[in-house]
Amino acid sequence: DIQMTQSPSSVSASVGDRVTITCRASQGITNWLAWYQHKPGRAPKLLISAASNLQSGVPSRFSGSGSGTDFTLTITSLQPEDFATYYCQQTDTFPITFGQGTRLEI
Amino acid sequence: QVQLQESGPGLVKPSETLSLTCTVSSYSISSGYYWGWIRQPPGKGLEWIGSIYHNGDTDYNPSLKSRVTISVDTSKNQFSLKVISVTAADTAVYFCARTLDYSSSAPFDYWGQGTLVTVSS
Repeated sequence: DIQMTQSPSSVSASVGDRVTITCRASQGITNWLAWYQHKPGRAPKLLISAASNLQSGVPSRFSGSGSGTDFTLTITSLQPEDFATYYCQQTDTFPITFGQGTRLEI
Repeated sequence: QVQLQESGPGLVKPSETLSLTCTVSSYSISSGYYWGWIRQPPGKGLEWIGSIYHNGDTDYNPSLKSRVTISVDTSKNQFSLKVISVTAADTAVYFCARTLDYSSSAPFDYWGQGTLVTVSS
């Protein structure tokens, strides 16, 4: 299985800050990488597909980059509603696997 | 707007079978896309269980494949999950979801709210 490692596991930030979350795959996955936002008791929300493709309705302060094994999710100008847990997911090879999550907190 | 809703018992005894159903509204399963199950144990991350196409084609996570069956009922616009011989390690919030495109490995863009299943005697 392809292992997805996110860092950091948690990060503290303030409204207006810029935050970067990284995701590393244990082997190359070209650009088959998605990012989700997950809040407790809610359904996960797909933010980005194919490493950098912002989903419809997702604010432009979210962006993704990377290819191969190293990827980043960047959130500029944090808003109160952005505090959540973020997961990366590789969709290159079965079984589909997720990172362990990065908790973004105030 | 596609909507998915999980349903099923919230408590299952060890060694018994966990059964969940996902009801889809505002979209016909028969029209395409893959439909999947994902779970999240308490305090842990997300784990893909498996996915199914409307014709019954399935993909499973090898770590669970020997105990899992995913099926589809297009007449009811539902798909289901069965996990046999459950243990406490199967305690989790179970989500159903739809893929972003027609690829079985695509990310999931529509999700249910999730349902907590506890395995305990």
